Formats: sequence, structure tokens, C-alpha cells
Amino acid sequence: EVQLVETGGGLVQPGKSLKLTCATSGFTFSTAWMHWVRQSPEKRLEWIARIKDKSNNYATDYVESVKGRFTISRDDSKSSVYLQMNSLKEEDTATYYCTTSLSLLNYGSYWGQGVMVTVSS
Amino acid sequence: DIQMTQSPSSMSASLGDRVTITCQASQDIGNNLIWFQQKPGKSPRRMIYYATNLANGVPSRFSGSRSGSDYSLTIISLESEDMADYHCLQYKQYPNTFGAGTKLELK
Repeated sequence: EVQLVETGGGLVQPGKSLKLTCATSGFTFSTAWMHWVRQSPEKRLEWIARIKDKSNNYATDYVESVKGRFTISRDDSKSSVYLQMNSLKEEDTATYYCTTSLSLLNYGSYWGQGVMVTVSS
Repeated sequence: DIQMTQSPSSMSASLGDRVTITCQASQDIGNNLIWFQQKPGKSPRRMIYYATNLANGVPSRFSGSRSGSDYSLTIISLESEDMADYHCLQYKQYPNTFGAGTKLELK
């Protein structure tokens, strides 16, 4: 059974940092591309980052609004993907999900349960 | 970035109705579009992939279609369990982009 479990959310002050973890099981993590998606309190979904697999040099992409502040990374030995979030802003308040594309036709089949991040003073 | 214009933002319909939700892409995305269903407090569920393909376990009353840059999700004979938010996602180009979502409610 495929499982994705996000942890690391919480309440943080503007300008501070937080690191999210998505621990996975049930599929061949090392060849999967992994994504982070967030959902605002207004329920709008926003794709924010993707990391490819080793054969694609772990290439990353980001949405403009988080470039330079957020870093996606992975540890294939732990079947986990991470999102390091620095210089957090109030507009980063959202539920953060990880999802996977085991193949292009499989993209979005599996999601974690989401983790809440609240940025507020 | 590719903009996905989703409509309507909300709608109410009766059980048994035929419902159509549309996303219009600002650039060519081919068939690289997914439709998700999301219920309160739950993660998105993939309903349609590659614009017209029914995902595993999705009832056959759901279908996806494409006409040029317009992509539609249709539910024939609406059931109570279909009340949810629906989102489209293009993955032709990074950043991948979602539509603004459609809230489907019971009339």
C-alpha cells in the first residue's frame, strides 16, 4: 500500500524557518519524482516544487513565489522528501501536501494527508 | 506561466443532474491535464488524468473531454457523494498550475 505522511508543520513567526518531511512507503521511491503542493485557507491549490530522481540529476523546479526561500530535497535511503522553508511570510500559511509522479500518467494518484503551516506573529 | 481559468467557481445542482465544469488553458497544454475531487478535510483525489482518462476506482458517471484549449469534467446523473470541490491541474509546463476550483453543492 502506498503511503505518504507529512510532518513538521506548526505555528511559526514571519521571517522564521520550518522544515517539512514527507515519509513514503509502498513504492519505489528512488525512481519517483516528488512534488509539494499547498492549499491556502481559501482552498486554492498551488503547486510549489518538484524534485526529479537520480537519473535526472535530482533536478528541481519551483513556483516563483517561493524561489530563493524554499528548498526541496530528498533522501532516497529514507524514502523521504523534504521542504525547507526559510523567510516565511504570512501568505505561506497553508496546508502542505506531498504527492508523487511515479510516471507521467500516474501523477497525482497518491497524496499525503497534509500538514498545516501557520505563519503569524 | 500557464493560467488555468476554471468555471464556474461554484454551482448548485440537484441529484440526477448533468454537471459540467470547465478549465481553459492560456497556452497549449496538449492533454496534460488532471481533474481532482476534494472533500472537506481530505486530500485531493485524482478523478481524470491525461484529460480524458478515468482514474482507477472512479465511477463511470465521471468523464473528461477536451475541445481546443477548453477542458471539461462532466458528471452525468449527479449523486450526493459527488458534492465536493473540483480542481484542474496542468502539468505540461513548470510551474504546474491549478485552476481556482469549483465548489459543487446540492440544490
